[in-house]
Amino acid sequence: EDQVTQSPEALRLQEGESSSLNCSYTVSGLRGLFWYRQDPGKGPEFLFTLYSAGEEKEKERLKATLTKKESFLHITAPKPEDSATYLCAVQGGSGGSNYKLTFGKGTLLTVNP
Amino acid sequence: NAGVTQTPKFRVLKTGQSMTLLCAQDMNHEYMYWYRQDPGMGLRLIHYSVGEGTTAKGEVPDGYNVSRLKKQNFLLGLESAAPSQTSVYFCASTRGRQPQHFGDGTRLSIL
Repeated sequence: EDQVTQSPEALRLQEGESSSLNCSYTVSGLRGLFWYRQDPGKGPEFLFTLYSAGEEKEKERLKATLTKKESFLHITAPKPEDSATYLCAVQGGSGGSNYKLTFGKGTLLTVNP
Repeated sequence: NAGVTQTPKFRVLKTGQSMTLLCAQDMNHEYMYWYRQDPGMGLRLIHYSVGEGTTAKGEVPDGYNVSRLKKQNFLLGLESAAPSQTSVYFCASTRGRQPQHFGDGTRLSIL
C-alpha cells in the first residue's frame, strides 16, 4: 500500500524567510510524485511532477526535489501570497492502469508580512 | 476552457435523504476520480473511472455509488445520507500519467 507523510503539519514564516517542506513516501514502483497547492475554498492546483530520483523542478520561488524516499519543496524568500496548503501525492505502479494518487495530509504554510 | 466543473457548490441535507453530485470535464480525459477531504485526513479516494461505462472502488467507497454514462461526466450518489458523509467532495480528471486536474469542490453538510 502506498503511503505519504508530510511534515511539518503547519509552518509559519516571516516574509523572506526561506524554508522547506518534506514529503516522505513508500510506493511500489514510483510513476510520479506530484506537488499541489490548495487555497481555502478551492481545489488543489498542480505545481510540479517529479518522475525519478535526482530530478528538480522550479517555478518562481518554489523548487521541488526528489530522492528515492522523499521529496522537498523549497520556498525561497516567500511572500504572503505563498500562504496555502501544500499537498504531496504519489502515483505508484501497483495500481495497474488506473493512475490513482495517494495524498499526504498536507502542510499549511502561513507567510506573515 | 472550464476544466473540471462541480455542481452544486454547497448543499445541506437531512439524514436519510439522497442526492447526486455532478462532475463535468471538457478536456476529453479518460480517467476521473471522486475524493473526499476531511480535516486531518487529507484527500481520500472514493471511486474512480478509467473510461466511459467503467467504475471502480477506491479507498472509502461505502455509502456511495457512481456512474460514468458519458465520457465527460462522472456522477457521485449518496442513497441515504449520514452525518459521517459531511465533507468537501472533489472531482478530478486526467489522461493518465499526467497531473490530475481538480474542480473547486462541493461542500456537503448532513444534519
